[in-house]
This record gives sequence, structure tokens and C-alpha cells, in this order.
Amino acid sequence: AQSVTQLDSQVPVFEEAPVELRCNYSSSVSVYLFWYVQYPNQGLQLLLKYLSGSTLVKSINGFEAEFNKSQTSFHLRKPSVHISDTAEYFCAVSPSGNNRKLIWGLGTSLAVNP
Amino acid sequence: GAGVSQSPSNKVTEKGKDVELRCDPISGHTALYWYRQSLGQGLEFLIYFQGNSAPDKSGLPSDRFSAERTGGSVSTLTIQRTQQEDSAVYLCASSGASGDIGELFFGEGSRLTVL
Repeated sequence: AQSVTQLDSQVPVFEEAPVELRCNYSSSVSVYLFWYVQYPNQGLQLLLKYLSGSTLVKSINGFEAEFNKSQTSFHLRKPSVHISDTAEYFCAVSPSGNNRKLIWGLGTSLAVNP
Repeated sequence: GAGVSQSPSNKVTEKGKDVELRCDPISGHTALYWYRQSLGQGLEFLIYFQGNSAPDKSGLPSDRFSAERTGGSVSTLTIQRTQQEDSAVYLCASSGASGDIGELFFGEGSRLTVL
């Protein structure tokens, strides 16, 4: 069975510091990988996704994630965070690209402090 | 609005009462999903509607839970005889063509508290 593990439930960091939110998955089939973000009092929204091709994918607000098949990881990184990045981040995998079978991690709460 | 709309945003009810949660998806989106988000838990898939196909109800936790989607648009999730363990945030999402792999558009959720 597929599963997603987000290794850190909470990540406190100072503004302008780098951050890495870790995500590992287990699957016996090929998967597509996603990071969703939930800002305070808002719905979840897609941050970035890996479907195929380049293993490094980027979002419009400076986040990037790299698919590492050998380590079954899809860690999310940003070299310099802002206060506005404070949010809950969810990693998800989709076996065989089936939307309704998205498997979700428990989320990582990123708190950016001044 | 252009996004997924859910109502009510907050619902407090007494144990044993029935509740209805409503979701209005993005216009033109053929797929609609209900998830449950409990404290300390990931998103739990409940039910999926795709066009006129039979819904995938495999995630519904018990027969107290049901959902319908009328006219391929608005959906209602009904919980009968609510229990305290039903307290959670119920999220609705919609998506468009099957090529939009993984891109679900979520509403802000309905927070249900069962006393």
C-alpha cells in the first residue's frame, strides 16, 4: 500500500533563512508527486507537482522540490523564507495519476518568525 | 465567485442530530471530492464524483455518511446521527479535465463540531 511520511510536524525558522520540508513515500508503482499549501484561514492550493521529465520542479514563489526515486523522497526547499510563507504544507502522491487516489501526508506547519 | 464554495463554514451540533454540508464546485469542473481533515490526521478521502459515473464511495466511514451531487454541480454531504468522532473539517475539492493530474481546487472547508 502507498503511504506518505512528512518527517517534521512543525518547522520554526527565522525570516530569510533556508528551509527544507521533508517528504518520503512508499509505493510499488510509479507515482506523481505534489506539494499543497494551506495558508491560515484559506483552502488548500497546489504549490508544485512532479509528473515526469526534470526531477526538479519549481513554484512561482521560490519553492522547489526534487524527486529522488532512489530515496523515494520529494523534499520541498526554499533558500530564503518570508513571513508570508507561514502555512501548513502537505505532500501527496498519486499512484498512476488517479486524482481520487491521492495519498496525503499529515502536513508540516511552517512558522516563519521575524 | 470563481472558487469552490462551501457552507456552512462552521457548524456546531448536538450528538445524534443530522447535518448537511454543501459544496459548490468551480463551474465546468466535472470531478468533485469530499475529504475529512481531523486534528493530527492527514486528509481522509470520503467520496468522489466524476460526471455522470457512479460515485466512488469507498472512503465513507460508515452508513451514516452519504453524499449526492445534483445536476453534476452542487454536492451535499449528509451525516446522520452525528457522533463526537465526526468532529472535523470537511473539505470539498473539484477538478477539471483528466489531464489536470493532481490539481484539485479546494474550498475553505466546513468545520463541524459535535457536542
